[in-house]
Formats: sequence, structure tokens, C-alpha cells
Amino acid sequence: DGGITQSPKYLFRKEGQNVTLSCEQNLNHDAMYWYRQDPGQGLRLIYYSQIVNDFQKGDIAEGYSVSREKKESFPLTVTSAQKNPTAFYLCATRGSGANVLTFGAGSRLTVL
Amino acid sequence: AQSVTQLGSHVSVSEGALVLLRCNYSSSVPPYLFWYVQYPNQGLQLLLKYTSAATLVKGINGFEAEFKKSETSFHLTKPSAHMSDAAEYFCAVSERSNDYKLSFGAGTTVTVRA
Repeated sequence: DGGITQSPKYLFRKEGQNVTLSCEQNLNHDAMYWYRQDPGQGLRLIYYSQIVNDFQKGDIAEGYSVSREKKESFPLTVTSAQKNPTAFYLCATRGSGANVLTFGAGSRLTVL
Repeated sequence: AQSVTQLGSHVSVSEGALVLLRCNYSSSVPPYLFWYVQYPNQGLQLLLKYTSAATLVKGINGFEAEFKKSETSFHLTKPSAHMSDAAEYFCAVSERSNDYKLSFGAGTTVTVRA
């Protein structure tokens, strides 16, 4: 069953802790993206990767880190440097030559 | 630079009535334009896209949108609302030269009254 799997779906974190959100895809897509969603603000791009072992900062990269060691995986780490991490995080992929993003179901992070 | 403005954060329609969601964009180059729908606590699903072919684009679930370059608009319509159309809708734009990064509008929440 092809698709994008984001885990965990819900995550609670204490202030000062790092947390890693997983994004795995079996669509064989080259490009992967991380977006953050806040109420009334739409989605904002955090990081994206066009190819394995390469990634670029998006519009709101501060306080986040990523890696792209495998084509299938693009984990996002929310570090303690992120001042307001409570949000809904969405991973997306894009196939080579395509102009459409496919989205995962999202992970909701709450900082207590 | 590219950006999107969605007019109206919340739209309420009666079942069977016209749904009209407004989207205006700015882009320095010919854009790709998209409408996505999101149901609560889920990811985004593509409704339709404009990529420089026909200016009237038909999508899933009876939705369509018209690209108007002179007005820099890409409004979404559906002739007759159904209860299942209650969701949040996002307009997005990408420039063909920037790695297909999408810029999203703030979203419009649609409620459908019985």
C-alpha cells in the first residue's frame, strides 16, 4: 500500500526537550518537504530535500533540523531552540518531474 | 516572491447552495496554482491544479476553479454544496523555478448548513 507514513500522530513534550518526527514514504519520490501548520496561518515551509544527502532551509527553519540519509526517510527534529513548537506538522513528497505535492496525515506536537 | 491571499477565513453555506472561495496570488513568473482540502486532523488532499493548460480547471468532488491572469485570481467554486464539503480549503502557489515549494494561503473553513 503506497503512501506517506508520519509518526507519531500525537506527541507531547516538555519544554527543553528535543523531539523527532518521522516521515517515511514508499512512493519512490525524490523530493520531500516539511510544513508547519498553525491555526489561521496556513502552512509554512520548514525544510525540504530534493535528493538524498541534500536539503535546504525553508521559510521558518530556525529551531529545527533534518537529515536525508535514505530516499524513503526525512525525519524532522524539533529542538529546544524552537520557541513555540506546538503545532501540526505535515510531511509531503513530490515525484521526479511532477508539480504536485502529496501529503501525509500529519503529526500533532504539544509542548507542556 | 510568491504569495497567496484567501479572502474570508470562514464561509457558511446552505446545503445545495453555491460554494465560492476566493484566492488571489502574486508571483513574479507564471505560476502553478492549487487548491487543497483538509478534513480535521488529517493531511491535505489535492482538489485541482492549474499548470498553464486550460484556464478553467475541473477537480474532484464537483469543484472547479478558473485562472484569471488579469485579476491574479484562482477562485474555487462548486454549484451545489453537500454536507461532506465541510472542511478547510487552502489555495497554494508555486513558481516553476523554485523547486516547487508551495506557498499557502491562510485557509478558509467551510461549514454547510442543513
